[in-house]
Amino acid sequence: DAGVIQSPRHEVTEMGQEVTLRCKPISGHNSLFWYRQTMMRGLELLIYFNNNVPIDDSGMPEDRFSAKMPNASFSTLKIQPSEPRDSAVYFCASIIGTGGDYGYTFGSGTRLTVV
Amino acid sequence: AQSVTQPDIHITVSEGASLELRCNYSYGATPYLFWYVQSPGQGLQLLLKYFSGDTLVQGIKGFEAEFKRSQSSFNLRKPSVHWSDAAEYFCAVGEFYSGYSTLTFGKGTMLLVSP
Repeated sequence: DAGVIQSPRHEVTEMGQEVTLRCKPISGHNSLFWYRQTMMRGLELLIYFNNNVPIDDSGMPEDRFSAKMPNASFSTLKIQPSEPRDSAVYFCASIIGTGGDYGYTFGSGTRLTVV
Repeated sequence: AQSVTQPDIHITVSEGASLELRCNYSYGATPYLFWYVQSPGQGLQLLLKYFSGDTLVQGIKGFEAEFKRSQSSFNLRKPSVHWSDAAEYFCAVGEFYSGYSTLTFGKGTMLLVSP
């Protein structure tokens, strides 16, 4: 299995531009999580999906952030417009079921820099 | 809400010496506890987890952790550190709510290994 695949690995964009981060979960995993990692705040849960349905998006910091999961094998996290304070590493993780065994598998992350 | 505190931001250990990374949690019920490791540019890898039963749990790469309810702690230990153990280590507490699991992470401890 290729694991959780995130793209791009690195993204540098100018303030005000739209940014789209992508995640392909492990085949058969039906729950997906987006986390953001910064030096100041550590790892924060932004949103999670189960069977492609958003379950809790209370961690999404602002309306500029949106996430979708159009099918079981693909999710996007979009920031529009981007700001320098959005610079962080964004991780995607997936699990089977609703995660009672917490078998999370993390992707390698996307390092976003907004200048 | 649950929270996790890792009081040490950085720790330097000599190769071959023993290691203990501290973790304290705040959670009302019996916690599900985890340690993850993150190598530079990589995602998080699960080292070990505690759900119930024996309070001393064994993980991969020779790591172990001990759950102490009276101290609200879940410290990670390794008897002899190798240079390849240099990485960032995250303690996490899991919550299973309304049928869904989520993880709350500490801010991490960076382990440096000196020759």
